Amino acid sequence: KQEVTQIPAALSVPEGENLVLNCSFTDSAIYNLQWFRQDPGKGLTSLLLIQSSQREQTSGRLNASLDKSSGRSTLYIAASQPGDSATYLCAVKGNTGKLIFGQGTTLQVKP
Amino acid sequence: EPEVTQTPSHQVTQMGQEVILRCVPISNHLYFYWYRQILGQKVEFLVSFYNNEISEKSEIFDDQFSVERPDGSNFTLKIRSTKLEDSAMYFCASSEQSRDTQYFGPGTRLTVL
Repeated sequence: KQEVTQIPAALSVPEGENLVLNCSFTDSAIYNLQWFRQDPGKGLTSLLLIQSSQREQTSGRLNASLDKSSGRSTLYIAASQPGDSATYLCAVKGNTGKLIFGQGTTLQVKP
Repeated sequence: EPEVTQTPSHQVTQMGQEVILRCVPISNHLYFYWYRQILGQKVEFLVSFYNNEISEKSEIFDDQFSVERPDGSNFTLKIRSTKLEDSAMYFCASSEQSRDTQYFGPGTRLTVL
């Protein structure tokens, strides 16, 4: 059974710092991995999708990497801003359509 | 930019009552999903729907739950007899193809009293 774990559970950094969020999964047989942002009490905003054949994806200050064989993905946020404060979720898709989510990392960027 | 919409944003109901949560997926999408998130817990998959039938459902999705696409635009989740433990945020999502990005709606917060 696929399990997704995110470390750390919470992170607090000063504005401007570069940071890395980690996601690990137990079954490497995935189709893709998706990173989301969730603001308190709100829905999920898709940030990046990495297909299983890809190593990384970039969008603006965000860069996500995928090492399928080791069951790991990282989300790199460059030059963090207070507006980046949110919970970041990773989710993997196996050979069915469903996404399996991690618990999330709650990020606070202090001005 | 097209987006998934959900109504209502908040639903309060009494235990044992039926509720219907509504979603309008992105118009050219073919795959539809319901997830839920109990406060403080992970987002959990409930059901996926394609070509007017359920393609996969989780253990949570028991006989109390049903989904329907009554017309060309709406996608609904019905809970027949709500329980206290059904209180959660319910998210609808859609994707163009099975392997594509899933786009989520803003959610419906269901409170069962």
